[in-house]
Amino acid sequence: QQQVKQSPQSLIVQKGGIPIINCAYENTAFDYFPWYQQFPGKGPALLIAIRPDVSEKKEGRFTISFNKSAKQFSLHIMDSQPGDSATYFCAAVNAGNNRKLIWGLGTSLAVNP
Amino acid sequence: DTAVSQTPKYLVTQMGNDKSIKCEQNLGHDTMYWYKQDSKKFLKIMFSYNNKELIINETVPNRFSPKSPDKAHLNLHINSLELGDSAVYFCASSQAGGTGGADTQYFGPGTRLTVL
Repeated sequence: QQQVKQSPQSLIVQKGGIPIINCAYENTAFDYFPWYQQFPGKGPALLIAIRPDVSEKKEGRFTISFNKSAKQFSLHIMDSQPGDSATYFCAAVNAGNNRKLIWGLGTSLAVNP
Repeated sequence: DTAVSQTPKYLVTQMGNDKSIKCEQNLGHDTMYWYKQDSKKFLKIMFSYNNKELIINETVPNRFSPKSPDKAHLNLHINSLELGDSAVYFCASSQAGGTGGADTQYFGPGTRLTVL
């Protein structure tokens, strides 16, 4: 049972496009929603994160949109670049379970030049 | 200067062997983790230690045994290796407790284990 459902599994866009990755959850005990970026041969690294008391957070070209009532959140990458090609994971922290991080299955993004 | 380091980076071994992967973090964090990432990139939490105490122990075969000699180190020992153990194993660390930024996990570079 996947507690954080992520889609799509893979995504291809042209340079300058705006890829959008979506995640959905059910557990209302989640209180922190990070996105991690993983390049080939590297470990995941935190990209951006949001708490459920805000609806949007922007850092540079990366924006998280959060819809608490729908239990959905998404990552938008503005003006995408080939260097953004990576695997992106959404996640959620369970406040009631040792703050365990629950991971989505990941989205492989390719940005073509 | 590496925040979370793992050794070795690559490990190729025969079925049935016993092997260990070492992890060290110099971030002063209280919590450390082991993850397994399969060929489909799925990240599966295996274990988590907080100040040398085991706090998360997922459904992992008991052939896998973590050991934390101190809060800066978390090693993973695997007995009787099987073909299905082939994967990339990541160590990570985070600061204990709190919310928001304290939950950020910092990952090592990974150890690619291949069982032949």
